[in-house]
Amino acid sequence: QVQLQESGPGLVRPSETLSLTCGVSGSFISSGYYWGWIRQPPGKGLEWIGNIYRSGNTYYDPSLKSRVTMSVDTSANQFSLKMNSVTAADTAIYYCARKGLSYYFDYWGQGILVTVSS
Amino acid sequence: QSALTQPASVSGSPGQSITISCAGTNSDIGGYNFVSWYQHHPGKAPKLIIYDVNKRPSGVSIRFSGSKSGNTASLTISGLQSDDEADYYCCSHAGSYTWVFGGGTKLTVL
Repeated sequence: QVQLQESGPGLVRPSETLSLTCGVSGSFISSGYYWGWIRQPPGKGLEWIGNIYRSGNTYYDPSLKSRVTMSVDTSANQFSLKMNSVTAADTAIYYCARKGLSYYFDYWGQGILVTVSS
Repeated sequence: QSALTQPASVSGSPGQSITISCAGTNSDIGGYNFVSWYQHHPGKAPKLIIYDVNKRPSGVSIRFSGSKSGNTASLTISGLQSDDEADYYCCSHAGSYTWVFGGGTKLTVL
């Protein structure tokens, strides 16, 4: 059974960098899947942030591309998200997910609430 | 890219059928047969229920079905059950290996 678990600080100060990690079990990061981050601001819908492959190849939402960096750590079987210059608008539940063999996300973590506040 | 448009809420009685629409553009839903739907009970991980417009993952009830016409996709849930009460999100590939989600629809089972 594939399981994903987000971890990281729940509170980030404005203008600082948000850093999250997604630990994966039941599937290898080094396998032929892409891995992604999706977020949900309070009271709003889901927003795709980006995907990363085992090689480090990445695809980001155009509106976030300038502030986002994703990376993979195949030895730890995890991948990470960094978002710089955060504002209150980046307050959201952040989910990590595995992109399936087609264009969908087949396994998701339970999400982690990140609040941007001073 | 703009979010896909879903109704904020729908409701139905047990045993009834409901349909949730998801409106996009030629650049997302209309351009690709890569629409997926997710069921989300708050506090839990979202669950994939439909992919590639109308395919169901193993283990997902046949009561869930998907379709697409032009720039609009639809999710139909037949034989409503109480545990179907959840938020539902559509998602589409939007070209250049990017994705766009809908705003979500809250399903209430009366």
